[in-house]
Amino acid sequence: GENVEQHPSTLSVQEGDSAVIKCTYSDSASNYFPWYKQELGKRPQLIIDIRSNVGEKKDQRIAVTLNKTAKHFSLHITETQPEDSAVYFCAASKGFQKLVFGTGTRLLVSP
Amino acid sequence: EAQVTQNPRYLITVTGKKLTVTCSQNMNHEYMSWYRQDPGLGLRQIYYSMNVEVTDKGDVPEGYKVSRKEKRNFPLILESPSPNQTSLYFCASSLYGGRGTTISNQPQHFGDGTRLSIL
Repeated sequence: GENVEQHPSTLSVQEGDSAVIKCTYSDSASNYFPWYKQELGKRPQLIIDIRSNVGEKKDQRIAVTLNKTAKHFSLHITETQPEDSAVYFCAASKGFQKLVFGTGTRLLVSP
Repeated sequence: EAQVTQNPRYLITVTGKKLTVTCSQNMNHEYMSWYRQDPGLGLRQIYYSMNVEVTDKGDVPEGYKVSRKEKRNFPLILESPSPNQTSLYFCASSLYGGRGTTISNQPQHFGDGTRLSIL
């Protein structure tokens, strides 16, 4: 089955810097890659997603890139702000089968 | 307001005492799913359901049961809870477009979570 690895597990940046979180997946048939943000004590919330027929997608300060050949995808956050501090999860799915999550990255943005 | 409602939010119980965590959504979603979240392990899928009376195992189904008798409800049942089931549980739902469609563009809506402690 699908396996998703996520790195780093913890990331500390200064306000205004960029942050990059990377994920690799094992099943070449996976075709949907969402990213979720989970603030402390809250539910995961979808922040951006990408389908396998697209290489890059951007939404204001966040972007996701996908390399199907290498089976990895990344989340990029530019001009980080303290409110970006949270745990971020990547995930991979094919069709409507299981959504497999990475183990999460704790992002800390210091003022 | 569109939402996924889980109950209870918190529960402390003892080994072997059957419990049910309820999940209800008001968005007429076909697809529902249960996850458990443990430190360092992320979210792992327990069971999912594509529609009424259609359920399937996720990655960690052992020790759990589910049922889908109505479209809006998807309860998680622990027949004989054990301490290794102490965790944070999330229910989620989304639209299902039918055979051949994908989850894409139909994001999962999560409930607020249920923190279970089994002593």
